[in-house]
Amino acid sequence: DQQVKQNSPSLSVQEGRISILNCDYTNSMFDYFLWYKKYPAEGPTFLISISSIKDKNEDGRFTVFLNKSAKHLSLHIVPSQPGDSAVYFCAASAGNDYKLSFGAGTTVTVRA
Amino acid sequence: DVKVTQSSRYLVKRTGEKVFLECVQDMDHENMFWYRQDPGLGLRLIYFSYDVKMKEKGDIPEGYSVSREKKERFSLILESASTNQTSMYLCASSRDDNSPLHFGNGTRLTVT
Repeated sequence: DQQVKQNSPSLSVQEGRISILNCDYTNSMFDYFLWYKKYPAEGPTFLISISSIKDKNEDGRFTVFLNKSAKHLSLHIVPSQPGDSAVYFCAASAGNDYKLSFGAGTTVTVRA
Repeated sequence: DVKVTQSSRYLVKRTGEKVFLECVQDMDHENMFWYRQDPGLGLRLIYFSYDVKMKEKGDIPEGYSVSREKKERFSLILESASTNQTSMYLCASSRDDNSPLHFGNGTRLTVT
């Protein structure tokens, strides 16, 4: 039973517009959330994270929002660029647990 | 820059064969992980290790074992390969339990 869910398998957005990726989780013990980006034939790379004590974290064009009461987080990419075309994975962990639970991923395609 | 190296990009094995997947990291990281990535399921944790000779089961350890004889090397072993183990296998390491994972480029294993 997946504890982290990304319900949109794909997203297509025009270059320069905003990309919004959504992620829901079921485990109320999760307190640390991450987004990873994966290009074909490469391993995932860390993009941005947020702790449960915050509701927003920003890094350049990437912002992650956390709504603990709704058990929901989102990743905003503004403005979207062709190099952002990739698969994005949401991940979460609880306390000092070494294990990360991953979502199924969302494939983003940025159209020129 | 952290480098996680997986020895093979592609492997084709026959049902019943014993398969070794090797992973080496060069940053003296304490923690190492093996995940498999399947469409629609995201990344699922097979095994992880937080110290030399230590190992812990992840979410889907059945049919797998691991070995960590040296800090930099973490091996995944398929004792008797089966077709349902056809997948992309990803190795990762992290400095500690609060640090992001660094992934290798993956090994695509096909079992026929």
